[in-house]
Amino acid sequence: KAGVTQTPRYLIKTRGQQVTLSCSPISGHRSVSWYQQTPGQGLQFLFEYFSETQRNKGNFPGRFSGRQFSNSRSEMNVSTLELGDSALYLCASSLTNRGYGYTFGSGTRLTVV
Amino acid sequence: AQTVTQSQPEMSVQEAETVTLSCTYDTSESDYYLFWYKQPPSRQMILVIRQEAYKQQNATENRFSVNFQKAAKSFSLKISDSQLGDAAMYFCAYRTTNLRNSGNTPLVFGKGTRLSVIA
Repeated sequence: KAGVTQTPRYLIKTRGQQVTLSCSPISGHRSVSWYQQTPGQGLQFLFEYFSETQRNKGNFPGRFSGRQFSNSRSEMNVSTLELGDSALYLCASSLTNRGYGYTFGSGTRLTVV
Repeated sequence: AQTVTQSQPEMSVQEAETVTLSCTYDTSESDYYLFWYKQPPSRQMILVIRQEAYKQQNATENRFSVNFQKAAKSFSLKISDSQLGDAAMYFCAYRTTNLRNSGNTPLVFGKGTRLSVIA
């Protein structure tokens, strides 16, 4: 059974650009959550999608957005990139909206220069 | 707001020995889940063990066990017979059982403990 797949693994972008990250959950999983991991702030929740609807959102500016498709795959987008957006972005999937456990992907390492 | 505190930024253990990682949390909820995740250099967060707050019995998964003290809001992880492959960052995490907006409430993570295993 394939795990959570995140693409790309690494990304280098310039300030002001925008970026789209992709997450394919485990087959059958309908909930997808995104987290940002930085050395200073640790792991912070970005948002969660369940059945194509954003259910919860963390305390991030509107430059961070996402969506979920009918096959449960999810994308997150960051517009007008800032140096502080450099981070590891982790995606986690759960079977339902009553997820007892999450399965994480290996993340996308974004570097903004 | 719920918070999770890991007071040990780094720890080390000799191979085959036992080590305990500490975690405390703050919540006003009565029903919740607690987790320990391991993050090796491959970056993937791997679930090590989980505990439901309503269960008094401490969870155990092979060499990994927890000491869950609900009244003290403490959730420590014990690794027995440590192996070189146990070297990683370990994160303690909390989540309420309640739905929020019909979705999962997010995981709240501690800052992590970096565990080194000495051969």
